[in-house]
Amino acid sequence: GQNIDQPTEMTATEGAIVQINCTYQTSGFNGLFWYQQHAGEAPTFLSYNVLDGLEEKGRFSSFLSRSKGYSYLLLKELQMKDSAPYLCAVRFFGAGSYQLTFGKGTKLSVIP
Amino acid sequence: GAGVSQSPSNKVTEKGKDVELRCDPISGHTALYWYRQRLGQGLEFLIYFQGNSAPDKSGLPSDRFSAERTGESVSTLTIQRTQQEDSAVYLCASSSGGVADSYEQYFGPGTRLTVT
Repeated sequence: GQNIDQPTEMTATEGAIVQINCTYQTSGFNGLFWYQQHAGEAPTFLSYNVLDGLEEKGRFSSFLSRSKGYSYLLLKELQMKDSAPYLCAVRFFGAGSYQLTFGKGTKLSVIP
Repeated sequence: GAGVSQSPSNKVTEKGKDVELRCDPISGHTALYWYRQRLGQGLEFLIYFQGNSAPDKSGLPSDRFSAERTGESVSTLTIQRTQQEDSAVYLCASSSGGVADSYEQYFGPGTRLTVT
């Protein structure tokens, strides 16, 4: 299977900027998603990247480098409510089918 | 309209019993996915339905697991002869396009299964 690597935990200060990295194996790559998952709740969609570059959506931005197998999620003007696990998910094409593989998630803690 | 719904929200069962989990996708969504999330782990793909195509069952961990979907509506995930390692949150998601598209997946609240 494909390995999706992201840090287990991160801590950042309210009002600051934080970058959550995600690396993956490039073979068969066909798109990358970021989700936020508050404790006890379902994941909610944040962003989608399939081409190189930066996608900006309000306080959240996501970057992709296909050649490096690398993405990051950038959160600006952090708020306490941003404390949550963030999941990186990569769609791969292989053996005639697509499959979405999720990383284990990065637990972000925003402190005052 | 309503989002993805799942039932029950919590299920406690004895080892060896069968359980059935239900998912109601968003109306009009052609694609439906089941995932499993063990404590402290990432989401693990189980099965994917797309319209009337044959489902992609490549993620089912054993023949004790099966799933059905009626047309483009309700899906049920059945686990036979449950084992303690089956304890997890089972998440269902739906999307308006297939897995090959950029359509985001909308997740349900999940069913927390505990096998004692």
